[in-house]
Amino acid sequence: EVQLVESGGGLVKPGGSLWLSCEVAGFSFSKYTMNWVRQAPGRGLEWVSSISGSGRYIYYADLVKGRFTVSRDNAKNTLYLRMSSLRVEDTAVYYCVGNWNDLFYWGQGTLVAVSS
Amino acid sequence: DIQMTQSPSTLSAFVGDTVTITCRASQSISGWLAWYQQKPGKAPKLLMYKSSSLESGVPSRFSGSGSGPEFTLTISSLQPDDFATYYCLHYDVRSPWTFGQGTKVELK
Repeated sequence: EVQLVESGGGLVKPGGSLWLSCEVAGFSFSKYTMNWVRQAPGRGLEWVSSISGSGRYIYYADLVKGRFTVSRDNAKNTLYLRMSSLRVEDTAVYYCVGNWNDLFYWGQGTLVAVSS
Repeated sequence: DIQMTQSPSTLSAFVGDTVTITCRASQSISGWLAWYQQKPGKAPKLLMYKSSSLESGVPSRFSGSGSGPEFTLTISSLQPDDFATYYCLHYDVRSPWTFGQGTKVELK
């Protein structure tokens, strides 16, 4: 059974930092490009970052470039997102999404709330 | 980066109607286009991939078409379970993903 379990979300003050993790089971993690996608309350889906299976290719949305860092540990089947200099507008549910060819697997999301 | 413009933002329809949602890319793209359905509080559900391929288990009343810059999702004979928000997604391992802005399909 495929499982993607995000963790690490919570309440943080503006300017603070947070680590998100996504533990994966049920598919060949190292083959999959992994993505972070977020959704602010009442808003649409927004792609945040992606990392190729080997970790060689990494992309970020302009809104998070320089503040967020994506990484992965293929030995632990885990994806990470280091978020720093957080802003109120980063408040969202963060989903991890695995993609290989036309296969997509989504987690259930973790809520990050940035507020003073 | 490629931008995806999705329309309409809201669509009102009756059960049994046929509805069409459009996504237009800012430049010609390959067929790496997916359609998702999302209901409140839930993760998105994949409906179509590679523009016109139906995901396993998705009813055949959903269909996708298009190429180059313009793609469409059609729902034939709208059912009560279909009232939701729909997103297109341009996905490509060699470039950033881009979502459309979403289309809320609501009961008229």
